[in-house]
Amino acid sequence: GESVGLHLPTLSVQEGDNSIINCAYSNSASDYFIWYKQESGKGPQFIIDIRSNMDKRQGQRVTVLLNKTVKHLSLQIAATQPGDSAVYFCAENSANDMRFGAGTRLTVKP
Amino acid sequence: NAGVMQNPRHLVRRRGQEARLRCSPMKGHSHVYWYRQLPEEGLKFMVYLQKENIIDESGMPKERFSAEFPKEGPSILRIQQVVRGDSAAYFCASSPPGRPEGKLFFGSGTQLSVL
Repeated sequence: GESVGLHLPTLSVQEGDNSIINCAYSNSASDYFIWYKQESGKGPQFIIDIRSNMDKRQGQRVTVLLNKTVKHLSLQIAATQPGDSAVYFCAENSANDMRFGAGTRLTVKP
Repeated sequence: NAGVMQNPRHLVRRRGQEARLRCSPMKGHSHVYWYRQLPEEGLKFMVYLQKENIIDESGMPKERFSAEFPKEGPSILRIQQVVRGDSAAYFCASSPPGRPEGKLFFGSGTQLSVL
């Protein structure tokens, strides 16, 4: 029979607040990580990346934190705006391909 | 500089028909990836191709599904004898030559609906 997927975890924040989206990755050999943003009806878009020799990287309003000890990745969005409402995926790269996490739906309340 | 182009945007098929999904990578990109996404779920890796070569098809169902990336022309994801469970969004992504560790550039996807 068909497999049943789990619904996406959701995070709801007030406009102007900071958002933190978490991701656990599976492969300790992964050496490159990316956060993608997917708006409704569109393909994922690159937000920010980080290599395994770093534990923090900052972009414009976004920060990615990497904790290799517990295989955990987080995306922090400062001063969240309505345009940030989307599904956010973390992805890890090892060997030849990029594998995606389950995603988190971020909803920004005005 | 055009991005990754996928067509058709929407595809409707009846059970038992064939579905052909096309993907033209970004100019200069030689790596193509196909992902499948069900509503409210994440992206599931299907296949990774370079020109004329399948590098990793570990996410592709063994039957009815095939993919190619010919020397000339777009990459094609082909689904034979479609069933309702094939209904999903199929996304293609590309990356430049070299070790494929860089970020992927995604198309807008093809929404396949099987009646």
